[in-house]
Amino acid sequence: GENVEQHPSTLSVQEGDSAVIKCTYSDSASNYFPWYKQELGKGPQLIIDIRSNVGEKKDQRIAVTLNKTAKHFSLHITETQPEDSAVYFCAASGPQAGTALIFGKGTTLSVSS
Amino acid sequence: DADVTQTPRNRITKTGKRIMLECSQTKGHDRMYWYRQDPGLGLRLIYYSFDVKDINKGEISDGYSVSRQAQAKFSLSLESAIPNQTALYFCATSDALAGGYNEQFFGPGTRLTVL
Repeated sequence: GENVEQHPSTLSVQEGDSAVIKCTYSDSASNYFPWYKQELGKGPQLIIDIRSNVGEKKDQRIAVTLNKTAKHFSLHITETQPEDSAVYFCAASGPQAGTALIFGKGTTLSVSS
Repeated sequence: DADVTQTPRNRITKTGKRIMLECSQTKGHDRMYWYRQDPGLGLRLIYYSFDVKDINKGEISDGYSVSRQAQAKFSLSLESAIPNQTALYFCATSDALAGGYNEQFFGPGTRLTVL
């Protein structure tokens, strides 16, 4: 089955710096790669996703890149702000309609002002 | 997300007790999921259901059972709770009409402590 590895497990940056979180997946058939943000005391919430027919997607300060050959995808946050501090999860799922998401173990991002 | 509610939000119980966690959604989604979250281990899938008559085991189903009472309700049971089931439990839903790209919407979580 699918296995998703996520690095780093913790990341500390200064406000205004960029942050990058990387994930690798094992199943070459996976074709959907979402990123979730979990704030303290809340459930995870989707912030951006990418499908395997796209190499890069951007939404304001966040972007995701996908390298299908290497089977890895990354989350990029630019101009970080204290409110970006949270736990971020990557995930992957396969092409079949009945495939569930497999999550990475999460990255705790701390943005200090 | 207020569209996905979980009850109770916190529960403390003793080893050997039967516990039921409930999830309700008003999003009209066909698919529902139960995850547990442990520090450093991320979100692990326990069970999932793609419609009322469909139940599937996830990666860590041992010690758990589920019931899909209706499209909007999906409950998780611990038949005989043990301390290593102490965790944060999340329910999630997704829309089958989205095809394979199943954005999931999570509830606020239930913090379960087994003494």
